[in-house]
Amino acid sequence: SQTIHQWPATLVQPVGSPLSLECTVEGTSNPNLYWYRQAAGRGLQLLFYSVGIGQISSEVPQNLSASRPQDRQFILSSKKLLLSDSGFYLCAWSVSGGQETQYFGPGTRLLVL
Amino acid sequence: DQQVKQNSPSLSVQEGRISILNCDYTNSMFDYFLWYKKYPAEGPTFLISISSIKDKNEDGRFTVFLNKSAKHLSLHIVPSQPGDSAVYFCAAGDTDKLIFGTGTRLQVFP
Repeated sequence: SQTIHQWPATLVQPVGSPLSLECTVEGTSNPNLYWYRQAAGRGLQLLFYSVGIGQISSEVPQNLSASRPQDRQFILSSKKLLLSDSGFYLCAWSVSGGQETQYFGPGTRLLVL
Repeated sequence: DQQVKQNSPSLSVQEGRISILNCDYTNSMFDYFLWYKKYPAEGPTFLISISSIKDKNEDGRFTVFLNKSAKHLSLHIVPSQPGDSAVYFCAAGDTDKLIFGTGTRLQVFP
């Protein structure tokens, strides 16, 4: 069966510090991978998605970037965090090909102070 | 411009009764729709989906209805249970991407 991991679970970072959140998927090959953010009291906002190694699509302009160095690894990064980057970050995967259910990881709560 | 809307931020239902959660969308090109359930500090879990070629899909206590002409879908939970208390998100699919609504918090009380 497929499993998706995210770490860390919780992170407190000062403004201006760098960020690296990691997501890995097990039990499947060539998945589509996604990064979402849920701000307090808000819905799920798609940040980035990837249909293959090195292929990243950005949905909104922001202070963040994403990379996919391996087939089942998706990394969310920032060089300098802003207060507005605080939120709950979720990674998800789906089978490639469209019209497929996305399955979410446990999430990372990021607090920027 | 929000393409998927859940206009009710919260809903309170008595245990054993029906819960009806609603969702509206604006883009007629969406071709599949999903409902997710989310507990605090956890990732959303998939509940049920429906393709745009259908108008109803049922899975146990959960039924999703799709009205394409009205661009409206709903999730029915019958009977509602206290464990159903969570935030429910609808999502609409556009090829490889999902667009999520803002969620409805369901509280099922005894």
